Amino acid sequence: AQTVTQSQPEMSVQEAETVTLSCTYDTSESDYYLFWYKQPPSRQMILVIRQEAYKQQNATENRFSVNFQKAAKSFSLKISDSQLGDAAMYFCAYRTWAGKSTFGDGTTLTVKP
Amino acid sequence: EAGVAQSPRYKIIEKRQSVAFWCNPISGHATLYWYQQILGQGPKLLIQFQNNGVVDDSQLPKDRFSAERLKGVDSTLKIQPAKLEDSAVYLCASSLDGAGLNTEAFFGQGTRLTVV
Repeated sequence: AQTVTQSQPEMSVQEAETVTLSCTYDTSESDYYLFWYKQPPSRQMILVIRQEAYKQQNATENRFSVNFQKAAKSFSLKISDSQLGDAAMYFCAYRTWAGKSTFGDGTTLTVKP
Repeated sequence: EAGVAQSPRYKIIEKRQSVAFWCNPISGHATLYWYQQILGQGPKLLIQFQNNGVVDDSQLPKDRFSAERLKGVDSTLKIQPAKLEDSAVYLCASSLDGAGLNTEAFFGQGTRLTVV
């Protein structure tokens, strides 16, 4: 069974600074997807960024980028130029090709003005 | 495009009572998921539907939880009887497809259940 580990329950960053959230996963599969989701206090989960395991190039979405290390089974999220609106809980998720998802337990990000 | 709709937003019941949650996925999305999110934890998949068929219900406590997706659109999740440990947020999500490339899931706002 796949497992997803987020080792940082809480992180904080100064506004306009950069922060990196860690995620590691365990799988025996070679084809899969990885996601970072953001969950603000309103609860609705929003997709931040996705990475296909067969792609070597790291995904980027504006201020959000990932460092995908397939051999190390590591998938970290970097947020550049942090904004107050980035404050939320962030979940790393692994999805099999068949569509079964496993989520980590989340990292609460605080952005200090 | 309308998002995933869930109701109710909040529900408080006594233990041993029954409760039902409703979800309307994004139009055209074949795959529907129900997750349980206990406070301080990540979402845990309870059941996954592909159209009106069940793809995965391996983590659904079938002695008390049931779910259906009639006509491959709306879905209801029922708990009967509820236990204190069922207190959680129940999230519904949908995706265009369940496998391959179109697996991005869109989430509803969830139903917060409190069992007292």
